Amino acid sequence: GENVEQHPSTLSVQEGDSAVIKCTYSDSASNYFPWYKQELGKRPQLIIDIRSNVGEKKDQRIAVTLNKTAKHFSLHITETQPEDSAVYFCAASKRTGTASKLTFGTGTRLQVTL
Amino acid sequence: NAGVTQTPKFQVLKTGQSMTLQCAQDMNHEYMSWYRQDPGMGLRLIHYSVGAGITDQGEVPNGYNVSRSTTEDFPLRLLSAAPSQTSVYFCASSLGTGGTAGGETQYFGPGTRLLVL
Repeated sequence: GENVEQHPSTLSVQEGDSAVIKCTYSDSASNYFPWYKQELGKRPQLIIDIRSNVGEKKDQRIAVTLNKTAKHFSLHITETQPEDSAVYFCAASKRTGTASKLTFGTGTRLQVTL
Repeated sequence: NAGVTQTPKFQVLKTGQSMTLQCAQDMNHEYMSWYRQDPGMGLRLIHYSVGAGITDQGEVPNGYNVSRSTTEDFPLRLLSAAPSQTSVYFCASSLGTGGTAGGETQYFGPGTRLLVL
């Protein structure tokens, strides 16, 4: 099955700096790559996603890049703010039978310090 | 529109007890799933359903049963609770299964924290 590795497990940046989180996946057939943000004690929420026919996608301060050849994708957050502090999960999925199943990375705890 | 709801929020069980975690969505979503979240292990898929009457196993199905008699509800049953099932359980739903595009936005419920003694 699919295996998703995520690095780093923790990341501390100063407010205003950029943060980058990287993920690799094992199954070359995976074609959908979402990123979820989970604040302490809350549910995961989608922040951005990318499909395999696109190399980069941007939404304000957040961007995701995908390298299909190398089987890795990254989340970039620019001009970080304290409210960006959370755990971020990457995931990968492909169509299998009747459904697409997400495989998540192990998460990155981002702390934005003042 | 309440989205995805889960009950209870917190539950303590003794080893061997059974219980059902409830999940409901009011968005007419076709796809529903259950995940467990453990420290350092991300979210792992337990079971999923692509529609009423259709369920299938995920990555970690042992010790859990599901059924989907309606579009709205997708309960998760623990048959005989074990300490290894101590975790936070999230239910999620999406409008469809993503077709050949590989996936769609999943909306998560608030979670159920389960402690098995």
